Amino acid sequence: AQSVAQPEDQVNVAEGNPLTVKCTYSVSGNPYLFWYVQYPNRGLQFLLKYITGDNLVKGSYGFEAEFNKSQTSFHLKKPSALVSDSALYFCAVRDGGNTPLVFGKGTRLSVIA
Amino acid sequence: DVKVTQSSRYLVKRTGEKVFLECVQDMDHENMFWYRQDPGLGLRLIYFSYDVKMKEKGDIPEGYSVSREKKERFSLILESASTNQTSMYLCASSLRGLNTGELFFGEGSRLTVL
Repeated sequence: AQSVAQPEDQVNVAEGNPLTVKCTYSVSGNPYLFWYVQYPNRGLQFLLKYITGDNLVKGSYGFEAEFNKSQTSFHLKKPSALVSDSALYFCAVRDGGNTPLVFGKGTRLSVIA
Repeated sequence: DVKVTQSSRYLVKRTGEKVFLECVQDMDHENMFWYRQDPGLGLRLIYFSYDVKMKEKGDIPEGYSVSREKKERFSLILESASTNQTSMYLCASSLRGLNTGELFFGEGSRLTVL
């Protein structure tokens, strides 16, 4: 069975500093990995995905994520945080079949001016 | 612009009432999903459907049922609402296929059961 762990409930970072939101996963077979963002009282928005290919994936709003197979991780990164990046971030995984996504519990990112 | 529309953003119901949450997508997606979101628990899958008139149980189907009579519409039904079903409900859709799979979400329906 697939599972996702987001070890930090909350991440605080100063505006302009780099940010990292951590995610580790467990899946049988090759993983399909996703990051989503949720702003207050809204649905989730897709940020980026890793299916195959280059381990560094670039997505929306300047975010990127690095797939590390040996560490079973898919950490979300951004070189310079903005106050508007403050939101709830979810990592998700599925296996190679047409199976539903399994989500982590989410990490709340606060970017302080 | 592609869209997943949930009919009600906020609902307040009484214990024992039957509750319908409607979701419509305009992207001709085969797959549709219902999740509930609770603080500290993330998103948990209730039911999903890969085709019309098809449904599969997710991780927490107890107390819920679903209906998919048309490709674009996926309804979540609470037969007899209880206070522990107070939650945010999120509908999502996706294309079938190995190289896709990203979900498109509606804005959510926040249900309060008194």
